[in-house]
Amino acid sequence: EIVLTQSPGTLSLSPGERATLSCRASQSVTSSYLAWYQQKPGQAPRLLIYGASSRATGIPDRFSGSGSGTDFTLTISRLEPEDFAVYYCQQFGGSPLTFGGGTKVEIK
Amino acid sequence: QLQLVQSEAEVKKPGSSVKVSCKASGGPFSSHAINWVRQAPGQGLEWMGGIIPIFGTPNYAQKFQGRVTMTADGSTNTAYMELSGLRSEDTAVYYCARDQLFCTGTTCSNAFDIWGQGTRVTVSS
Repeated sequence: EIVLTQSPGTLSLSPGERATLSCRASQSVTSSYLAWYQQKPGQAPRLLIYGASSRATGIPDRFSGSGSGTDFTLTISRLEPEDFAVYYCQQFGGSPLTFGGGTKVEIK
Repeated sequence: QLQLVQSEAEVKKPGSSVKVSCKASGGPFSSHAINWVRQAPGQGLEWMGGIIPIFGTPNYAQKFQGRVTMTADGSTNTAYMELSGLRSEDTAVYYCARDQLFCTGTTCSNAFDIWGQGTRVTVSS
């Protein structure tokens, strides 16, 4: 099983600041098979990034993904009030499909 | 645009079973895998398995083998997830999600692009 470790667990930032979220895999993941999701309280997750770096339809360009192998990053260039949420990475490279434990981005 | 609408919340006794439905409307259903993901209170996301309705063969996470059954009815565009032998640790919100394939040239990527609203299942005596 591929274990995804997200860090930090919580990120305390102010609107307008840059957020950098990390997702580290226990073994190499093909970039095509790494996705990022955003989840707000009481809501289903929303797809942000697929293929490690491609934005899903309707996702603002302040969200970007990068990385390869075992290290992947989600960057939010300038936090907007609606970006404070929990973010999860997910891998499709091996079965079972797995998610990281999540990073909560909270208002400082 | 495809929408996935799930069944209402359930309260179940330990040892019983629950069957959650996920009805698709407004878009293609049978050719995409429908996956099930659960989230215990205050916890992260856990993949349970998936099924491609047109093929009907499910793929379960080993953790749930023997306790979960995923089916799909193409005539009603509805997928089902039944979990048996319920215990308190199964208390969670259960989501269905469409597995979409995104292709650019010869490179294709998977992601869960459309999600149901979630069904809360509470297991309590």
